[in-house]
Amino acid sequence: DVKVTQSSRYLVKRTGEKVFLECVQDMDHENMFWYRQDPGLGLRLIYFSYDVKMKEKGDIPEGYSVSREKKERFSLILESASTNQTSMYLCASSFLAGTYEQYFGPGTRLTVT
Amino acid sequence: GQSLEQPSEVTAVEGAIVQINCTYQTSGFYGLSWYQQHDGGAPTFLSYNALDGLEETGRFSSFLSRSDSYGYLLLQELQMKDSASYFCAVKGGSSNTGKLIFGQGTTLQVKP
Repeated sequence: DVKVTQSSRYLVKRTGEKVFLECVQDMDHENMFWYRQDPGLGLRLIYFSYDVKMKEKGDIPEGYSVSREKKERFSLILESASTNQTSMYLCASSFLAGTYEQYFGPGTRLTVT
Repeated sequence: GQSLEQPSEVTAVEGAIVQINCTYQTSGFYGLSWYQQHDGGAPTFLSYNALDGLEETGRFSSFLSRSDSYGYLLLQELQMKDSASYFCAVKGGSSNTGKLIFGQGTTLQVKP
């Protein structure tokens, strides 16, 4: 079974802090994604990566950056956390570039106070 | 740009059939997929339609009409465990990108 894990289930940070969210997948998938999920807005793509050290902006990249130094690990960085970044963050991975099937991690509920 | 529309909520009784609709607007269309997410859980892939017609997988079926830019997810013999949110999704960009654009989700409540 594909497994996507995220470093924390719940996280509370203060405004202005630098925040790292880690995601690891164990199936040698090429593609990895970061989404945020807010009530009534569905899943919105922040960044994705289709190879090591490669990244592309999604629909809402402002205030975020990413890092992919190893194939299995994709990190989301909030350079200076703000209260409007309070959300559920979901990581996903997929094998083929053309596939619709993404495997999601359990999510990190981030609260910025 | 790309956008998808789904009803925000649907309610049905156990044992019944329910249909969750999705209409989309895309610059290029390569198929429609559906995901299920239980409360507090991760989204999981249900189905994918690239061509017109009905695809059946057990109690769940998914339909696509490309000419109408419309699809639906059909759930039969509803069970309490089917209470969840359901998202439709299309490709965001070219056919060989893994990027998906998701709808806002439909919350299905199954009542006894």
